[in-house]
Amino acid sequence: KAGVTQTPRYLIKTRGQQVTLSCSPISGHRSVSWYQQTPGQGLQFLFEYFSETQRNKGNFPGRFSGRQFSNSRSEMNVSTLELGDSALYLCASSSDRGLEQYFGPGTRLTVT
Amino acid sequence: EDQVTQSPEALRLQEGESSSLNCSYTVSGLRGLFWYRQDPGKGPEFLFTLYSAGEEKEKERLKATLTKKESFLHITAPKPEDSATYLCAVQLSRGSQGNLIFGKGTKLSVKP
Repeated sequence: KAGVTQTPRYLIKTRGQQVTLSCSPISGHRSVSWYQQTPGQGLQFLFEYFSETQRNKGNFPGRFSGRQFSNSRSEMNVSTLELGDSALYLCASSSDRGLEQYFGPGTRLTVT
Repeated sequence: EDQVTQSPEALRLQEGESSSLNCSYTVSGLRGLFWYRQDPGKGPEFLFTLYSAGEEKEKERLKATLTKKESFLHITAPKPEDSATYLCAVQLSRGSQGNLIFGKGTKLSVKP
């Protein structure tokens, strides 16, 4: 079974630009969560989607948004990028049966 | 405030030298506690889920245990390939499936 995939793996953007990251969950998984990982704050929850609906949201500004499609693939968008948005963005999926989440390799975003 | 604290931040061991990593948590209600392993530049890899105090799970040289306030990850006779950052995360009983609260991790180095 293929794991969680994320594209692109690396991105370099300039302050003020916007960016879209993509995540394909494990086949059959309907829950997709996004996390931001930085050296100072560690892993922080951004939001969770289930069956195309946002089920939960972390404490991030409105510049961070996401969506989920009918095939469970998900995208997250960050508008008006700031230097502090430089981080590893991780996507995770989980099945309806188990609590555990399975993570993708992440997208490394660098804002200059 | 719900919180997860891991100690030590870093641990250096000689090959074969057993030790334990600690994860203490202060949460309003625990649905599950998770251990992950993360290698540099990669997404976290799922190791264990623990649900209730007294529960233990093992996988190769790793054994995870859970009490009402903390969890331990015991590493028996570690090898250099066990070097990684080990992350602990909790899921709240009132939270949704996809929202995990992570500790900052313990960076383990095992020297041959």
